[in-house]
Amino acid sequence: AQSVTQPDIHITVSEGASLELRCNYSYGATPYLFWYVQSPGQGLQLLLKYFSGDTLVQGIKGFEAEFKRSQSSFNLRKPSVHWSDAAEYFCAVLTDYKLSFGAGTTVTVRA
Amino acid sequence: NAGVTQTPKFQVLKTGQSMTLQCAQDMNHEYMSWYRQDPGMGLRLIHYSVGAGITDQGEVPNGYNVSRSTTEDFPLRLLSAAPSQTSVYFCASSTTGFNEKLFFGSGTQLSVL
Repeated sequence: AQSVTQPDIHITVSEGASLELRCNYSYGATPYLFWYVQSPGQGLQLLLKYFSGDTLVQGIKGFEAEFKRSQSSFNLRKPSVHWSDAAEYFCAVLTDYKLSFGAGTTVTVRA
Repeated sequence: NAGVTQTPKFQVLKTGQSMTLQCAQDMNHEYMSWYRQDPGMGLRLIHYSVGAGITDQGEVPNGYNVSRSTTEDFPLRLLSAAPSQTSVYFCASSTTGFNEKLFFGSGTQLSVL
């Protein structure tokens, strides 16, 4: 069975600093990978996805993620964080019509 | 274009009561699914459907039933609510190939006393 691990429960970052959120998955083949963001009281919004091809994918709001097969990782990055990026971020893997989510990483942005 | 519509937004039940959470989408998506979200556990798949008349279990199906009589609707039934089912429930839909993003409803906050 596939699983998704987000090692960091909570990250605090200063506005303007860079951000990296970690995601590791366990699956035999190359999975379809996603990053979603959830603002307080809101539903989930897709940031980016990886299906195949270029391992560095660009998403919305200035986010990017890199798929590394050797490390079974799909880490999310943003060069310069804005206060509006404070939210909860979820990594997800799709296999056999089932989308499995990690437990999430809460990002706090300090001024 | 309404997207994915969930009703109700909030619900309080007593233990043992039954209810149905409604989910409808107007995008002609084949794939629909139900998730529950609990603090520190992310979203967990309850049931999913790849088309009318086809449903399957996800990660946490116990205590929940679903049916898919039409492409548009995918209701989630709690036959005998338990406090452990207190959660926020999200319905989501997509094309079966997932080449589009998964569209989420706005959620239903359910409390079982």
